[in-house]
Amino acid sequence: DVVMTQTPFSLSVTPGQPASISCKSSQSLLHSDGRTYLYWYLQKPGQPPQPLIYEVSNRFSGVPDRFSGSGSGTDFTLKISRVEAEDVGIYYCMQSIQVPRTFGPGTKVDIK
Amino acid sequence: EVQLVESGGGLVKTGGSLRLSCAASGFTFSKAWMSWVRQAPGMGLEWVGRIKSQTDGGTTDYAAPVKGRFTISRDDSKNTLYLQLNSLKTEDTAVYYCTTAFVVLPGAMVDYWGQGTLVTVSS
Repeated sequence: DVVMTQTPFSLSVTPGQPASISCKSSQSLLHSDGRTYLYWYLQKPGQPPQPLIYEVSNRFSGVPDRFSGSGSGTDFTLKISRVEAEDVGIYYCMQSIQVPRTFGPGTKVDIK
Repeated sequence: EVQLVESGGGLVKTGGSLRLSCAASGFTFSKAWMSWVRQAPGMGLEWVGRIKSQTDGGTTDYAAPVKGRFTISRDDSKNTLYLQLNSLKTEDTAVYYCTTAFVVLPGAMVDYWGQGTLVTVSS
């Protein structure tokens, strides 16, 4: 199975400041079709996960452009350019290059 | 509007069984690959398994902890996804989410999750 790791475990951010979360996979997520199958989700308290980013850097419809994803192979980053109060929650990366799908352990983001 | 509505959760004793349902609407269910993801209390997300569309073979894949005990099925005539949970263990206690993701336009994906249904397994 592909093991996903995330750092940091938690993050406390001043509103308006940037934030960055790292995700690493134990195997390359680059498929032979040329796509890289790395997703990002945000789970707000008491809610199901909401999708943010697919295939490393593509925002799902409705996701604010302050969220951006980057990376390749086994190393990926989610950046929030200016954190807002509504961004609090737990951020998960997930690989879908193979089954079983696997998630990172999550990064908790809160506001200072 | 896309909706995924799970039902069927509840309290069950170890070794018991339960069937979860996920009623889908707002998209062409028969073409979608559907998945179940669970989340134990206070824990992270764990993929349970998936079922492909009938067009793509209708086959299933499962996570190791549930293989042989859980069964995913679908009824395209009812736009409903199922998860049969057998031989339940206390570690199966979790909120179970129904989810799907698919391409809507070249280069544009969507990803939907239900609100989840809680399964509690007691000894």
